Amino acid sequence: GAGVSQSPSNKVTEKGKDVELRCDPISGHTALYWYRQSLGQGLEFLIYFQGNSAPDKSGLPSDRFSAERTGGSVSTLTIQRTQQEDSAVYLCASSSRDGANTGELFFGEGSRLTVL
Amino acid sequence: GIQVEQSPPDLILQEGANSTLRCNFSDSVNNLQWFHQNPWGQLINLFYIPSGTKQNGRLSATTVATERYSLLYISSSQTTDSGVYFCAVGAQGGSEKLVFGKGMKLTVNP
Repeated sequence: GAGVSQSPSNKVTEKGKDVELRCDPISGHTALYWYRQSLGQGLEFLIYFQGNSAPDKSGLPSDRFSAERTGGSVSTLTIQRTQQEDSAVYLCASSSRDGANTGELFFGEGSRLTVL
Repeated sequence: GIQVEQSPPDLILQEGANSTLRCNFSDSVNNLQWFHQNPWGQLINLFYIPSGTKQNGRLSATTVATERYSLLYISSSQTTDSGVYFCAVGAQGGSEKLVFGKGMKLTVNP
């Protein structure tokens, strides 16, 4: 597609339920990132994919969080047994590679998660 | 890990004024990007600038990697420049992740 697409744009769930957030990156972009932004805060790194592999999962806050990427394209971030502190905007970004370095990041509009 | 500090944290300007935003980082970088987050939350990439100087219209950026800082200049500011500006860096020899600063909120009044 023309840009990074994320769904759902808005999700309200009850504490303890599982949620899945989807990211469709820009066509041809090999790198994909998930970040989290709490209200009025900066961006917190969660996980990075290069192709289908995840060389850096260091930002996942607990084992309730997992992510996968299939076909080098779409990625899904899954949060199990959601807690109120998981409420945030989850942002996905993709980039092409520039030699050995990451290129410009392009962000989707985010998925706003509210856990009641 | 690498630390990123942005200053000032907040800035209020009258339309037409100029401003300089600063980003300091604690280690060598191979990646530095500036972003603008508009009031609706959309993040837009302004510059990919691990070193050197770039200009795009009223905006320009300079990164002095050896001294571990980057500057974003906004000239003749407009109300549409309002929002939060983020600096993000990738550590030399580190993973590919970008570490974001806490951002700088800019308000441009008409």
